[in-house]
Amino acid sequence: QSALTQPASVSGSPGQSITISCTGTSSDVGGFNYVSWYQQHPGKAPKLMIFEVTDRPSGVSNRFSGSKSGNTASLTISGLQAEDEADYYCSSYTTDSALVVFGGGTKLTVL
Amino acid sequence: QVQLQESGPGLVKPSQTLSLTCTVSRGSINSGGYYWSWIRQHPEKGLEWIGYIYYNGDTYYNPSVRSRVTISLDTSKNQFSLKLNSVTAADTAVYYCATGRESFDPWGQGTLVTVSS
Repeated sequence: QSALTQPASVSGSPGQSITISCTGTSSDVGGFNYVSWYQQHPGKAPKLMIFEVTDRPSGVSNRFSGSKSGNTASLTISGLQAEDEADYYCSSYTTDSALVVFGGGTKLTVL
Repeated sequence: QVQLQESGPGLVKPSQTLSLTCTVSRGSINSGGYYWSWIRQHPEKGLEWIGYIYYNGDTYYNPSVRSRVTISLDTSKNQFSLKLNSVTAADTAVYYCATGRESFDPWGQGTLVTVSS
């Protein structure tokens, strides 16, 4: 069982917006601004999309945005495109001795 | 941006030691400020951070594997390595090396390690 809780799947049509949630506790998501989001296509390595809750690495589309409220972080993808279909994982720094914990992943289907 | 590439055996017998190497290119492994991490992904499952080594040699490991794991640097080869001993089938996973501590970017392509006799 993952330390952070994500929905198993979400879906949306091209052009729409979707939001993926990531729920933790005050020891991780709620306590620090070190939430990251990763995109993983089948057979590929994860790719960093968002770090420190809201920041995008250079080269990542501004259609991807992050936010946080309390113990829940969210990834929003606007203007859905077919290429966005992938698995998405959140992670957070934690005061637990594990240091970094991941969510179980969310499969995004673009209809 | 640095590039990372994992290498090592794809099959390890139970109770033996899993050994992987990550070769760093387009950057120096002992450049100040870099954390070098190992992360694994069990089949059809999520991600698990294993541990990191700082450019100065400091390490930190996930308690889930702390008693069995060692991460080390080889600055002469611009590589860092993972050793996980006493492996079982539960250690079967794709192993990734990556740069970072709270967030990870970039990642290597990953290498599948199967524990089986």
